[in-house]
Amino acid sequence: KNQVEQSPQSLIILEGKNCTLQCNYTVSPFSNLRWYKQDTGRGPVSLTIMTFSENTKSNGRYTATLDADTKQSSLHITASQLSDSASYICVVRGNRDDKIIFGKGTRLHILP
Amino acid sequence: GAGVSQSPSNKVTEKGKDVELRCDPISGHTALYWYRQSLGQGLEFLIYFQGNSAPDKSGLPSDRFSAERTGGSVSTLTIQRTQQEDSAVYLCASSLAHRAGTGELFFGEGSRLTVL
Repeated sequence: KNQVEQSPQSLIILEGKNCTLQCNYTVSPFSNLRWYKQDTGRGPVSLTIMTFSENTKSNGRYTATLDADTKQSSLHITASQLSDSASYICVVRGNRDDKIIFGKGTRLHILP
Repeated sequence: GAGVSQSPSNKVTEKGKDVELRCDPISGHTALYWYRQSLGQGLEFLIYFQGNSAPDKSGLPSDRFSAERTGGSVSTLTIQRTQQEDSAVYLCASSLAHRAGTGELFFGEGSRLTVL
């Protein structure tokens, strides 16, 4: 069964600290993996996309990694800001049947 | 506007009433998705439209839920005889066809449904 598992479920860190969110998936065959950010009361917005051949991709203070062999991805946030408080959702797209599988998200709280 | 538009943004209804939620996708996007998100939970897939193909209704939780997409653009999600457990945010997303792009989903701001 195609699944996407995220950890931790929630995370609280102090402003200015770094953190890393994890995503494990079993979707196969694999097309791409996206990290979305969902602010409270808003729709999710794509942060970054990883395809099979990519290992690392950065978008400002956000850096995503992908290990297609172990089917793991991470999202690293550097020098966190209060505005980073949100849910971060890992979304994997299969290559065969157009299926999009959502993880349940990690809720990140940044404290001042 | 340039983004996905959903209406109403908030809807409060009484148990047993029918509700209709509307989604206006980004122009040119042939794929349209409906998701449901209960408070503090992840997104739950409801239904997927792709062009003129038959929709994927595999996520609809019961026969009280239905959706239409007219003219390949605007979509309406209808919930009949609403129950309290239907209370959630209903999110709509659109994207280019899978083979035409990277498949980024563009979400609306959601319709928050409260069933009393």
